[in-house]
Amino acid sequence: EDKVVQSPLSLVVHEGDTVTLNCSYEVTNFRSLLWYKQEKKAPTFLFMLTSSGIEKKSGRLSSILDKKELFSILNITATQTGDSAIYLCAVGEAGNNRKLIWGLGTSLAVNP
Amino acid sequence: EAGVVQSPRYKIIEKKQPVAFWCNPISGHNTLYWYRQNLGQGPELLIRYENEEAVDDSQLPKDRFSAERLKGVDSTLKIQPAELGDSAVYLCASSLVRANTEAFFGQGTRLTVV
Repeated sequence: EDKVVQSPLSLVVHEGDTVTLNCSYEVTNFRSLLWYKQEKKAPTFLFMLTSSGIEKKSGRLSSILDKKELFSILNITATQTGDSAIYLCAVGEAGNNRKLIWGLGTSLAVNP
Repeated sequence: EAGVVQSPRYKIIEKKQPVAFWCNPISGHNTLYWYRQNLGQGPELLIRYENEEAVDDSQLPKDRFSAERLKGVDSTLKIQPAELGDSAVYLCASSLVRANTEAFFGQGTRLTVV
C-alpha cells in the first residue's frame, strides 16, 4: 500500500533555531513530492520536487529529494514565530492516476 | 489571478440535515479535488475530477455524499443526511492536467454537525 510518513509528528523550537522535517514515502509510481504549509486554513504550496539532489530554496526554506532512499527533507533556518504551522508532505503519482498521497504532517511550534 | 474559491467558509448544521459546499477552481485548471481534513490529520481525498468526469471517487461515502462538476468548471459537494462524524474541514483544490503540477487549495469550509 502506498504511504507517506512524516517525522517528527510535532516539534517545538525557539526563534532562531534551524529545523529539519522529514518525509519518507513508498509509492509505486512516483511523479513528484510536494511540501505544503498549513496554518489555520488551507494548505499553501511551498515546493515541488521531481529530481534527486537538486535543492529548491525560497528564503529561509529549502528542500531536497532523494529518490534512491525515498525521502525528502524540508529545512527552515533562523526560524520565526510565523513559521509555526503544520507542514504537509504529499507524493503525486504518475500516469493517469494523478493521486496525491498525503502524510499526516509535522506540527511545528516556534516560541519567541 | 484569483485562487480557488470556496463557500461557505463555515457551516453549522444539525445532524440529519443536508449541506452543500461550492468550489470555483482556478481558471484553466481541469483537475479538481475535494478533500476532507480532520484535526491533526492530512487531507483525505473524497473525489477527483478531470474536467467533468469523476475519475477517482473510491473514497467518497456514496450513501450520503454526492458531487457534481457540471461543465467542467465549478463543483458542488453535498452531504445528505449529515452525521456528527462529518464534522471536518472540506477542502477543494485544483491543478492543471499535465504531469508535475502542484495542486492549489481553497480556504476550505469548516463544517460542524451538532
